[in-house]
Amino acid sequence: GESVGLHLPTLSVQEGDNSIINCAYSNSASDYFIWYKQESGKGPQFIIDIRSNMDKRQGQRVTVLLNKTVKHLSLQIAATQPGDSAVYFCAENFGGSQGNLIFGKGTKLSVKP
Amino acid sequence: DVKVTQSSRYLVKRTGEKVFLECVQDMDHENMFWYRQDPGLGLRLIYFSYDVKMKEKGDIPEGYSVSREKKERFSLILESASTNQTSMYLCASRNIDREGAQYFGPGTRLLVL
Repeated sequence: GESVGLHLPTLSVQEGDNSIINCAYSNSASDYFIWYKQESGKGPQFIIDIRSNMDKRQGQRVTVLLNKTVKHLSLQIAATQPGDSAVYFCAENFGGSQGNLIFGKGTKLSVKP
Repeated sequence: DVKVTQSSRYLVKRTGEKVFLECVQDMDHENMFWYRQDPGLGLRLIYFSYDVKMKEKGDIPEGYSVSREKKERFSLILESASTNQTSMYLCASRNIDREGAQYFGPGTRLLVL
């Protein structure tokens, strides 16, 4: 497969462990945040989103935490599986429904069997 | 499920050729986007369209143009391909009722020789 980014921060975890991927966003006026997963050679896949009036949101095996005070977003993956290996990146939106997304550079998650 | 398709997964073109990248979405989304993704630079917005016949420049529009004649289709055109346009091109669409969330196609890997 092809790498979607060189020199990305890398997180290596053992299968079954929990993973935490962090993201610092840039704009305090951003009102909506998304986490994407991108597997090698594929397009980004929507995982979970959160609005700025929330500080936590849970999905299936994933939880997103938002700390607006320090402009920090995290993605927690429970019981990480080999299929979770991918590049994960956050995106922030400001400008409401006509706004555009600003994407982070990403973190590469490697899951060891 | 949202489905965004791109006409080619891989393309090889020669310098100076005119290149058409096609994107189709089947969810009646108003907004559509074209990005390029390069190692170390992340996703960069080339052009976007809020609705049919509309287009807006993104962050790096130089050397590109777009066409949105039908709601479901958004085309990216490289008028005269150059080697620095070798990249992964990603199309995305968004429903304005689902603020911010963009859904991506599988990408087109373009090599310009």
